[in-house]
Formats: sequence, C-alpha cells, structure tokens
Amino acid sequence: DAGITQSPRHKVTETGTPVTLRCHQTENHRYMYWYRQDPGHGLRLIHYSYGVKDTDKGEVSDGYSVSRSKTEDFLLTLESATSSQTSVYFCAISEDTQGAYEQYFGPGTRLTVT
Amino acid sequence: DAKTTQPPSMDCAEGRAANLPCNHSTISGNEYVYWYRQIHSQGPQYIIHGLKNNETNEMASLIITEDRKSSTLILPHATLRDTAVYYCIVRSWGRSWGKLQFGAGTQVVVTP
Repeated sequence: DAGITQSPRHKVTETGTPVTLRCHQTENHRYMYWYRQDPGHGLRLIHYSYGVKDTDKGEVSDGYSVSRSKTEDFLLTLESATSSQTSVYFCAISEDTQGAYEQYFGPGTRLTVT
Repeated sequence: DAKTTQPPSMDCAEGRAANLPCNHSTISGNEYVYWYRQIHSQGPQYIIHGLKNNETNEMASLIITEDRKSSTLILPHATLRDTAVYYCIVRSWGRSWGKLQFGAGTQVVVTP
C-alpha cells in the first residue's frame, strides 16, 4: 500500500470554527489531491497540488484553502466550518508513470460539523 | 474524458472468477481505461489500467476489446474481501492533474 496517512481520522467540530486536515505521504510523489465524498455525489475534487507551493482549485473549492510547504504534506483548511462540509475527505497522490498518473488514496477523514 | 457505463450490481461465488464489464464507446485514442475499487468505509484503491493491450497484475486482469469501446476487469479467484464497488474510469493519457470522474460503479458482492 502507498504510504499515505491522514489525520485526524475522525473529527467533530462546531459551525464557524476553523479546521485543518493533514495528508502525509512517504512516496515522494509530486501530485497531491483533496477530494470529498458524499452520498449521491461520488468523489469531488476540492484542491490539488502539482508541487511544493503550487496548488490549484478543483470543482468544489469554495470555503476551503490548502497549503503545501513540503513535498510530503498537503493541508486542507476549512476557514469557517459549515454543516454542508460534513463529509468524508480523502487525500490522494500520484506521479508520472509513463503518462498514466494513477492515483493512490489515503484512508479518509470523517468530519462532522454540528 | 469519455463516459463509462457499468452494471449497477453483480454477485460472484467465492473462488470463482468475477468478470466486470465496462462500456466506453466514446473513448478516444489517447485515453486510458482505469479500474478502481472502494471497499466500504475505505479510500478508493487503484487496481489496474491499460491503453489497448490486455494487462495483468497481482490483483486482476484487464481485457480491452480491439475497438477499445469496452473492457472487462477479471478477478481470477474472488474472495470475500473483494466485495466492493468497482469503478471503470476513462482518462486522458498524460493528464497529470484533475479529478478522476467516478461514476456509480458496480457493487460486487462475493458470497461464500
């Protein structure tokens, strides 16, 4: 299994509080991604990174920010958590393997905003 | 990226081969076929990918038709741990960023 960890694995927080989720990889892969998964919507890309300090928005980026100061860490911050951000969050990594860029996923973080 | 069509569910007996079909009739020449699966409450797991040749790894085999409009994922000896949702995804070669377009997938249930 790819060396990807996410922390925390479970979190309950109140509306309006900031929350930071961490993704850590030991594979030295260049690309990292944050997805959220909700019933009826499947996996949706929030933000991704194509290198240290190089990030861009995905399809559902409103209310989220990211940072990548080291190759191995990709942080997702909810500036002011809302109930609509209750979800399971997955981090993924990928690297150039002859153009295929297959993605490997972490175990997920279950976030509940009350 | 091309759209894919998969059956919503299928059952398989433990120890038997599971053959999972996927239709991708609008696939273009530079698009790969990827397969992932998601076991309940876990992150998606990469299984295999291919362009036009059949591929095999330690998890599965991928058979792509000559016209590339459909493919079949084969789990040679299904076990109970293979119960999962299986996703067939078509994605452009060399596309280093961007989301994987997960559809509804096929719910595979392996029974004793």
